[in-house]
Amino acid sequence: SQELEQSPQSLIVQEGKNLTINCTSSKTLYGLYWYKQKYGEGLIFLMMLQKGGEEKSHEKITAKLDEKKQQSSLHITASQPSHAGIYLCGADEGGKLIFGQGTELSVKP
Amino acid sequence: GAGVSQTPSNKVTEKGKYVELRCDPISGHTALYWYRQSLGQGPEFLIYFQGTGAADDSGLPNDRFFAVRPEGSVSTLKIQRTERGDSAVYLCASSPDAGGTDTQYFGPGTRLTVL
Repeated sequence: SQELEQSPQSLIVQEGKNLTINCTSSKTLYGLYWYKQKYGEGLIFLMMLQKGGEEKSHEKITAKLDEKKQQSSLHITASQPSHAGIYLCGADEGGKLIFGQGTELSVKP
Repeated sequence: GAGVSQTPSNKVTEKGKYVELRCDPISGHTALYWYRQSLGQGPEFLIYFQGTGAADDSGLPNDRFFAVRPEGSVSTLKIQRTERGDSAVYLCASSPDAGGTDTQYFGPGTRLTVL
């Protein structure tokens, strides 16, 4: 079955700095989802990527899927305390989602 | 509009007891999913429904776990003879349809603690 590896596992950045989170799959990705989770809460949908080379942006967050469709990156520009949380990538596998272990982001004011 | 809701938000039970967790999906969504999330891990798939039927229950860990969705809307996850290892956050999600690339929208979860 498909496995997703996220890196780094945790990240502490100063407010205003840029950062990147990576998600690598053991198989070709046919639908890659990024979610954000605040402690004790459910997952908030950020973006979905499907096509090789696809890139999507929402506010200061940009997600990309590489041409080979085995790796995705999430980039945050000028980070803010509101960006803090756990970022999860999830791969569509026949309708269900297989998730990475998550990346915990802390933003220091 | 209303999102996915889950009740209770927290459940504490004793080892060996029976528990039921409820999920109310977004109105009109035909697909409903259950996941389990342990501390420091990503969610793990348990089961999903397309309408009233379980389309894939390959993630249920053993026969103590069972889920129903009798009218194609609300779903209940049932756990018999709970064990301490069942402690986790149980997440429910719904999507307009199953398969393809319909986005799954998640509820806030039920935190289950088995003492």
